[in-house]
Amino acid sequence: KNQVEQSPQSLIILEGKNCTLQCNYTVSPFSNLRWYKQDTGRGPVSLTIMTFSENTKSNGRYTATLDADTKQSSLHITASQLSDSASYICVVSPPNDYKLSFGAGTTVTVRA
Amino acid sequence: DTGVSQDPRHKITKRGQNVTFRCDPISEHNRLYWYRQTLGQGPEFLTYFQNEAQLEKSRLLSDRFSAERPKGSFSTLEIQRTEQGDSAMYLCASSTTRGRNSYNEQFFGPGTRLTVL
Repeated sequence: KNQVEQSPQSLIILEGKNCTLQCNYTVSPFSNLRWYKQDTGRGPVSLTIMTFSENTKSNGRYTATLDADTKQSSLHITASQLSDSASYICVVSPPNDYKLSFGAGTTVTVRA
Repeated sequence: DTGVSQDPRHKITKRGQNVTFRCDPISEHNRLYWYRQTLGQGPEFLTYFQNEAQLEKSRLLSDRFSAERPKGSFSTLEIQRTEQGDSAMYLCASSTTRGRNSYNEQFFGPGTRLTVL
């Protein structure tokens, strides 16, 4: 069973609207949680990284939150743009380790 | 461009053929990782190197797969006797344990898309 579950699997939103993606994880202990953006046919690019002691981290129109008690994270996209169309992957890293646990991703499609 | 690069970007081969992919990490990154990603899934860990030493291999890495990093810089991933199930995106990433990279952040390359006919 995957230790990182993401929802929804996919979503479609209109340009300019906001959306929130969810990530639940069971990896324990963990060092940090990351959100990556992956465009079709490209490698993942880091958006945010949060340690277990951080509750929120922003990168432009992307805001990630983390609740280490409930083991949940979310990624909020504000005022979506067509270029936000991509897969967003939640990744959890154990302490001092290289073996990242990846979610399956949420595919976001932004339509004009 | 100082990012992670991979070559080729796309590879189409017939079942049973051997293929080799190359990854050039960010300069002076001492760790290098290989992942496999199938459609609609997140990347799955295959193996990683610290300098030239291969420190761990996933059970996903069957004996048809071999990876090398002979001089601690670029790496190659070879798949022998390819099967249709090998069709996937093969991603390379690198990171450094030196300096202030407390997150051990991995930087990904663009991937090599393999299609086995």
